[in-house]
Amino acid sequence: KAGVTQTPRYLIKTRGQQVTLSCSPISGHRSVSWYQQTPGQGLQFLFEYFSETQRNKGNFPGRFSGRQFSNSRSEMNVSTLELGDSALYLCASSFEGPTEAFFGQGTRLTVV
Amino acid sequence: GEDVEQSLFLSVREGDSSVINCTYTDSSSTYLYWYKQEPGAGLQLLTYIFSNMDMKQDQRLTVLLNKKDKHLSLRIADTQTGDSAIYFCAESRTGRRALTFGSGTRLQVQP
Repeated sequence: KAGVTQTPRYLIKTRGQQVTLSCSPISGHRSVSWYQQTPGQGLQFLFEYFSETQRNKGNFPGRFSGRQFSNSRSEMNVSTLELGDSALYLCASSFEGPTEAFFGQGTRLTVV
Repeated sequence: GEDVEQSLFLSVREGDSSVINCTYTDSSSTYLYWYKQEPGAGLQLLTYIFSNMDMKQDQRLTVLLNKKDKHLSLRIADTQTGDSAIYFCAESRTGRRALTFGSGTRLQVQP
C-alpha cells in the first residue's frame, strides 16, 4: 500500500511570507502528527490530529498551525516565516497515537 | 535535561555487530522505538518495544530494555554498508500522543 506522502518536497520562501505543507496519510490511518527537524534542536513535536481534531500540541508559537480534513489528509501552515523556521518538516501517520507511526519523506523548507 | 539521550557517533566494520545505546528519563514511558534515517529521507520505523518487555528480536535487530536503568539498546548483527545511517531512539507515554526523540546516533560502516 502507498506510504505517507508529503508535498511539496522542497520549498524556498522569503522571510515574512507564509507557507502551507500537505500530508496524505496511509489509507486507513486517522492520526497524523507533524515534527520539525533541525540540526540544532533535533526532532521536535509540533501537533497531532485525529479525526479532524487537534489532540496534542508541542511547544511552538501560534504562527504554526494545522488542520485535518475528513479524509485524514492534513496541512500545516506557518505564517510570518522566520529564518529559524528553515527545517525538514516530517509528517507521521498511524491508526491511533504514536505507536507504529510511519513517516513521510518530509518537506525541506528554506527561508531566505 | 534531555528526555532521551544517545551517543552521537559509532563506527564499525562491515560484518561486525553494532550496538547503539539510548537512555531515557521518564519512567512512565510506555513504548520505546528505534527509527532509521538515511540522507535526504524521512524516518523509517525499525522496531519498537513495550515497556514491560526485556527483549525483542527481529531478524538482524535485537532490542534490549533495562527498565530499572532506563536503558535501551539496538544491536544490529552482521552490519552492512547499507546500515550506515542515523538511528534515533524515541519514547512515548500514555496520555501524550507524541514521540520524544533522542538526538540520533550516526552509524558509519567501514568496508
